[in-house]
Amino acid sequence: TQTVSQSDAHVTVFEGDSVELRCNYSYGGSIYLSWYIQHHGHGLQFLLKYYSGNPVVQGVNGFEAEFSKSDSSFHLRKASVHWSDSAVYFCAVSAVSSGSWQLIFGSGTQLTVMP
Amino acid sequence: NSKVIQTPRYLVKGQGQKAKMRCIPEKGHPVVFWYQQNKNNEFKFLINFQNQEVLQQIDMTEKRFSAECPSNSPCSLEIQSSEAGDSALYLCASRQSSYEQYFGPGTRLTVL
Repeated sequence: TQTVSQSDAHVTVFEGDSVELRCNYSYGGSIYLSWYIQHHGHGLQFLLKYYSGNPVVQGVNGFEAEFSKSDSSFHLRKASVHWSDSAVYFCAVSAVSSGSWQLIFGSGTQLTVMP
Repeated sequence: NSKVIQTPRYLVKGQGQKAKMRCIPEKGHPVVFWYQQNKNNEFKFLINFQNQEVLQQIDMTEKRFSAECPSNSPCSLEIQSSEAGDSALYLCASRQSSYEQYFGPGTRLTVL
């Protein structure tokens, strides 16, 4: 069984700051990882994914994430945040061998960007 | 940006009433998922389809929930007898051959 942990429920930064949102997972097999953003009252927007290859992956709107097998982590980063980045961010995993491709989501991190 | 369409955006039902919501996946995406997101941001996978066939569904789905993805028609999720605990955001997602799933805006169900 795979699990996902997002240790920070809330993160507050100022516009222009860098930010890192943490995601740790637990699963022994081949895994697919992704990040989604959810603005208030909306659905989930896909940001980026990792399955294999370069552990640093680039996503939309300047986001990137780095996979670490040794740390079982897939942290999301952005060098300079904008007020429009304020939203809830969800890390999600899927066990490649399961065949169902269902996503298991973390509890989410509310990012607030102050002007 | 996702092109998954979900209707209606909001649905209000009384306890015991049927609640039906629809989803049009992105063109060319053969796999469709339904998830339930509650007010605590907890997600629950409900069911998924590949073309018109069910791939996997949870036990809860088998009892009061029904879903289908007919050919050339929107996919649908129906709750036969709504309960207060069913109040949630119901998200439809679709995927092509790669792993990423693209989500619609969701249907927010409120059961009074």
